Amino acid sequence: GQQLNQSPQSMFIQEGEDVSMNCTSSSIFNTWLWYKQDPGEGPVLLIALYKAGELTSNGRLTAQFGITRKDSFLNISASIPSDVGIYFCAGPQGAQKLVFGQGTRLTINP
Amino acid sequence: EPEVTQTPSHQVTQMGQEVILRCVPISNHLYFYWYRQILGQKVEFLVSFYNNEISEKSEIFDDQFSVERPDGSNFTLKIRSTKLEDSAMYFCASSGTGPPYEQYFGPGTRLTVT
Repeated sequence: GQQLNQSPQSMFIQEGEDVSMNCTSSSIFNTWLWYKQDPGEGPVLLIALYKAGELTSNGRLTAQFGITRKDSFLNISASIPSDVGIYFCAGPQGAQKLVFGQGTRLTINP
Repeated sequence: EPEVTQTPSHQVTQMGQEVILRCVPISNHLYFYWYRQILGQKVEFLVSFYNNEISEKSEIFDDQFSVERPDGSNFTLKIRSTKLEDSAMYFCASSGTGPPYEQYFGPGTRLTVT
């Protein structure tokens, strides 16, 4: 099946810094989704992307659908403590199933 | 804001016992899903359910697993005879009449099999 690879696996940053992470696949996706998971909680949908080249924002978060359709990027500007968590990319495999990346763990030093 | 709810939040059971995990999806959603996440690993698809039947399932979802929508609001996952390796977080998700990939997840049930 399709595999999603996220990098970096973990990030340690200072509060106020900008964050960039990405997700790549060996095969084409027609949809990219970004989720955030807090410890002990379920994934929360942040952004959905449906068109190659699309750039979509949700507050301080911006995600892009790569033009090759094999990658996607998530940026967080001016990070704050509540941004801590694990960020997952996901894409559809088949009619309804989502396949997830292994996540990028974000830690913020105040 | 509507949300997916799950009960219990934590279930401890002995190997070989049956467990039922319960979910209440978002009320106007039509597609329902179960995913699991073994500690420290990525989220894995188990099954999708639409129009009162399974529409897709993974190889993980073997004969020990079953799903049901017993009434208009609940969606359940039953594991018939639990194994140690079934220990994981189990997430229910639902999606509406819009793009089916915009799936909204519940807070999860932590299942511990001893």
